[in-house]
Amino acid sequence: GAVVSQHPSWVICKSGTSVKIECRSLDFQATTMFWYRQFPKQSLMLMATSNEGSKATYEQGVEKDKFLINHASLTLSTLTVTSAHPEDSSFYICSATQGLAGLQYFGPGTRLTVT
Amino acid sequence: SQQGEEDPQALSIQEGENATMNCSYKTSINNLQWYRQNSGRGLVHLILIRSNEREKHSGRLRVTLDTSKKSSSLLITASRAADTASYFCATDWGAQKLVFGQGTRLTINP
Repeated sequence: GAVVSQHPSWVICKSGTSVKIECRSLDFQATTMFWYRQFPKQSLMLMATSNEGSKATYEQGVEKDKFLINHASLTLSTLTVTSAHPEDSSFYICSATQGLAGLQYFGPGTRLTVT
Repeated sequence: SQQGEEDPQALSIQEGENATMNCSYKTSINNLQWYRQNSGRGLVHLILIRSNEREKHSGRLRVTLDTSKKSSSLLITASRAADTASYFCATDWGAQKLVFGQGTRLTINP
């Protein structure tokens, strides 16, 4: 149980285009989903927290107009990287939790390369 | 930065030896968790220790927590080649948000 999937697992896009990453909780309803970014050989940095049906809360320094997050249902959250630039190339990981005291279950990550 | 520190940053040992990784954090916590990440993959949850616990075991894993020193350690006994991965500690203080340490890259040599 408690499986989280991400799609796509990797994507290459051209500079200036937008790319959407999906995060799904497969066997539970996720009240909250989190989006992280991880640069090579570095740790995970929280980008934003999203609750179903409400606006995402972004961490300091994360541009909300560039990283659009939608949490339309209890099993799906999407992250759209708009007008992507090479410096947005990174590993994006989502996690989902069932409740206030619940563990975070992590997806397998999406490798984004912007050329 | 809220991020904690882990040491060593990299550790290379022989198969069968024990591996110890340390994590220090900066604020009061509710829980501390350890995760494993294989190269290019997502995170695998290893163990959670609550702030009122001092030690926890899970198979070959032993975690200690010293809240007075704001530090934790992860011991992997009888290491195997499959234990080669990066290991991260993560803390939370009740707001659900996790703050990750910098990670330790562990290499087990056959």
